[in-house]
Amino acid sequence: DAGVTQSPTHLIKTRGQQVTLRCSPKSGHDTVSWYQQALGQGPQFIFQYYEEEERQRGNFPDRFSGHQFPNYSSELNVNALLLGDSALYLCASSWGQPSYGYTFGSGTRLTVV
Amino acid sequence: GIQVEQSPPDLILQEGANSTLRCNFSDSVNNLQWFHQNPWGQLINLFYIPSGTKQNGRLSATTVATERYSLLYISSSQTTDSGVYFCAVTPSGDNQGGKLIFGQGTELSVKP
Repeated sequence: DAGVTQSPTHLIKTRGQQVTLRCSPKSGHDTVSWYQQALGQGPQFIFQYYEEEERQRGNFPDRFSGHQFPNYSSELNVNALLLGDSALYLCASSWGQPSYGYTFGSGTRLTVV
Repeated sequence: GIQVEQSPPDLILQEGANSTLRCNFSDSVNNLQWFHQNPWGQLINLFYIPSGTKQNGRLSATTVATERYSLLYISSSQTTDSGVYFCAVTPSGDNQGGKLIFGQGTELSVKP
């Protein structure tokens, strides 16, 4: 039973560039959430996708956008990267709405230089 | 919004010792999970425990929803228990997606 898979594991980008992170949910899960974790902090909720629609959004600017595909996988896109976007980006999957009992992936560590 | 406070922020133990980690939350919740973040960054789900008591090997957790706190007990600690422990909740008023709100974590270091 595959868990949550994220790619890539590490990424280095230049300020102003755009980045796309990918997530495949755990088998049987249909909801994907994205979190940003700065160094030394707890994860912060970015947004959640269910039935290919954004269901909830945290306090993140429009530079952060996402998408969910029919197979429930998801992408997180960040435009016009800032140095402050450097963080660990975590994907979590769950089942149904509202969702409880989340499973997290290993994350993508993004460094903006 | 709901506040989630974890204590202590840091904890150093000798291998074999027991410990208790606490999570206080400021409002009623539908969901409460305890996670262990390993050195590679992955959040490992330890317990889904919005109320009551659960045990899994050397770990156990208790949530007293009416008093808005949860406790994570680690017995006979091992060096592999080192890492950051997070408590995360979903407020009862959240009837949409059920997003998790995390505390700041407790960093545990177990010395051999």
